[in-house]
Amino acid sequence: AQSVTQPDIHITVSEGASLELRCNYSYGATPYLFWYVQSPGQGLQLLLKYFSGDTLVQGIKGFEAEFKRSQSSFNLRKPSVHWSDAAEYFCAVVGRNNNDMRFGAGTRLTVKP
Amino acid sequence: NAGVMQNPRHLVRRRGQEARLRCSPMKGHSHVYWYRQLPEEGLKFMVYLQKENIIDESGMPKERFSAEFPKEGPSILRIQQVVRGDSAAYFCASSLGQGAQQPQHFGDGTRLSIL
Repeated sequence: AQSVTQPDIHITVSEGASLELRCNYSYGATPYLFWYVQSPGQGLQLLLKYFSGDTLVQGIKGFEAEFKRSQSSFNLRKPSVHWSDAAEYFCAVVGRNNNDMRFGAGTRLTVKP
Repeated sequence: NAGVMQNPRHLVRRRGQEARLRCSPMKGHSHVYWYRQLPEEGLKFMVYLQKENIIDESGMPKERFSAEFPKEGPSILRIQQVVRGDSAAYFCASSLGQGAQQPQHFGDGTRLSIL
């Protein structure tokens, strides 16, 4: 069955520290992969996406993610977190031949001053 | 430079009433998706529509839920005879074209509360 797992429900980091949010997927073939961010009361904003090619993708707001086929992972990273990064982060996958985007349950990021 | 517009932002209904959620896609977008988000969960795909056509409704509950995207006007997600379990945030997204490579742009959602 197709699924997306975000193992960490809630992560707290200090401002200026590095960040890694984990995402694992289960899919028949390599899907398209996405990371979205959701601020309270808002919709989702696309941070970055992976379709093919270079497995390290750069996104907005200083985020990057690395696709590792052998681990079925697509972890999100940021070298130095800012207080404004506090939000909910969702990993999502979609098959290459369909439109059914599947989301993980999300990881809530808290940033300590 | 309007993005995806959803209204109302908040909707309160009593059990048994009907709820209508509206979504106006981004300018030039003809593909609309509806998702439901329960508390502490990610978004769950409900339905994918193009103008006047339902393309994929595999995520829609079999009863009480319907969606349309008419030639003119916004897309409508309609929930008849609402129950407490329908309380959720409903998000609409739109894209320029078909296929997974077309990024989906999300609205701010409608928070539906059932009394």
